[in-house]
Amino acid sequence: AQSVTQLGSHVSVSEGALVLLRCNYSSSVPPYLFWYVQYPNQGLQLLLKYTSAATLVKGINGFEAEFKKSETSFHLTKPSAHMSDAAEYFCAVSDQGGSTLGRLYFGRGTQLTVWP
Amino acid sequence: KAGVTQTPRYLIKTRGQQVTLSCSPISGHRSVSWYQQTPGQGLQFLFEYFSETQRNKGNFPGRFSGRQFSNSRSEMNVSTLELGDSALYLCASSLEGISSYNEQFFGPGTRLTVL
Repeated sequence: AQSVTQLGSHVSVSEGALVLLRCNYSSSVPPYLFWYVQYPNQGLQLLLKYTSAATLVKGINGFEAEFKKSETSFHLTKPSAHMSDAAEYFCAVSDQGGSTLGRLYFGRGTQLTVWP
Repeated sequence: KAGVTQTPRYLIKTRGQQVTLSCSPISGHRSVSWYQQTPGQGLQFLFEYFSETQRNKGNFPGRFSGRQFSNSRSEMNVSTLELGDSALYLCASSLEGISSYNEQFFGPGTRLTVL
């Protein structure tokens, strides 16, 4: 089974500062990788996805993530934080096939706080 | 195109009762997955349905069941509710063609409270 680790359950940054949210996965075969954001009392919204194409993936709201196979990482970054970025962020992986196709494995989430 | 809809949004039940939650996927999507979200366990996969067949199942007791209809709408049922079943239940749909990756679109969730 896949395993996803998000380092840091809480991250605080000042408005305008760099946002870095860390995600590592455990798989010898690179899976599909996703970052989702969840605002209070809402479902999950897809920010970006990696599906074996370019290793640097650009998503919505100025976020991007870089897939590094050697480090089994898929960290999420944004050059300049905005107050509206305050939310919980989830890294997720999915097998590219096999019996577990259709299942997402989620990290425990990182709560991002943005200070004015 | 309308997104994933879930009904009801909020539900309060008592221990021992049963509950049915409904999910309508995005039009054209054939795969529906269910997840349970709790502060203690995070997001956990319940099961996934594709073309009315359960294709994947997570590690939940048999009290949790689901089904999918021919129009891809899905329901999940929890029988003999326990306090620990209090959670946000999220439904997600995806297109799930043979060569597609697993991009899932989530609904707003149903908040279940068991008293």
